[in-house]
Amino acid sequence: GDSVTQMEGPVTLSEEAFLTINCTYTATGYPSLFWYVQYPGEGLQLLLKATKADDKGSNKGFEATYRKETTSFHLEKGSVQVSDSAVYFCALITDTGRRALTFGSGTRLQVQP
Amino acid sequence: DGGITQSPKYLFRKEGQNVTLSCEQNLNHDAMYWYRQDPGQGLRLIYYSQIVNDFQKGDIAEGYSVSREKKESFPLTVTSAQKNPTAFYLCASSPRGLEGAEAFFGQGTRLTVV
Repeated sequence: GDSVTQMEGPVTLSEEAFLTINCTYTATGYPSLFWYVQYPGEGLQLLLKATKADDKGSNKGFEATYRKETTSFHLEKGSVQVSDSAVYFCALITDTGRRALTFGSGTRLQVQP
Repeated sequence: DGGITQSPKYLFRKEGQNVTLSCEQNLNHDAMYWYRQDPGQGLRLIYYSQIVNDFQKGDIAEGYSVSREKKESFPLTVTSAQKNPTAFYLCASSPRGLEGAEAFFGQGTRLTVV
């Protein structure tokens, strides 16, 4: 079946540091890939997405590139802020079979001033 | 405003009781989903529905039931058969059949068994 693997957290960074959160996947069909963000006590919000190989999703300074050859969708940001502290989820949905998002376990990011 | 609304935000249940979590959307989405989130874990799919009057089990459907009588509504019942129901429950909706379509999430219901 489909699965998503994320690096374990928490990831603790100082403000203005570079961020990478790794995400790899296995999928039976051709997946669309997503990063969602969750702030404390809230639901999830879409951060960015990519629907085909080599696409780059970007939003609010975050970027991720759909790498089919390495089945990866790593999240990056050049300079994090305290307000970026949250839990980040990598997810996929395929064009065959079950039409529902499959999520990774989430990575908590803590940014210190 | 268009969106997806879950209620209540906090819910307390005594052991042995059934409880129903509400999820309503006014986004005109065909597909709706229920996920369970436990501390330090990802989201696990409970049930999903692609169209009115039809729904499918997800990965952890045991002890839960749903209905989809209206496009806007997808209530989740946590039954007494669910052995460990304390968790954060998230409802989502999305357009059906669109490649890469975004799923919109509600604010969640935190259920605690007392």
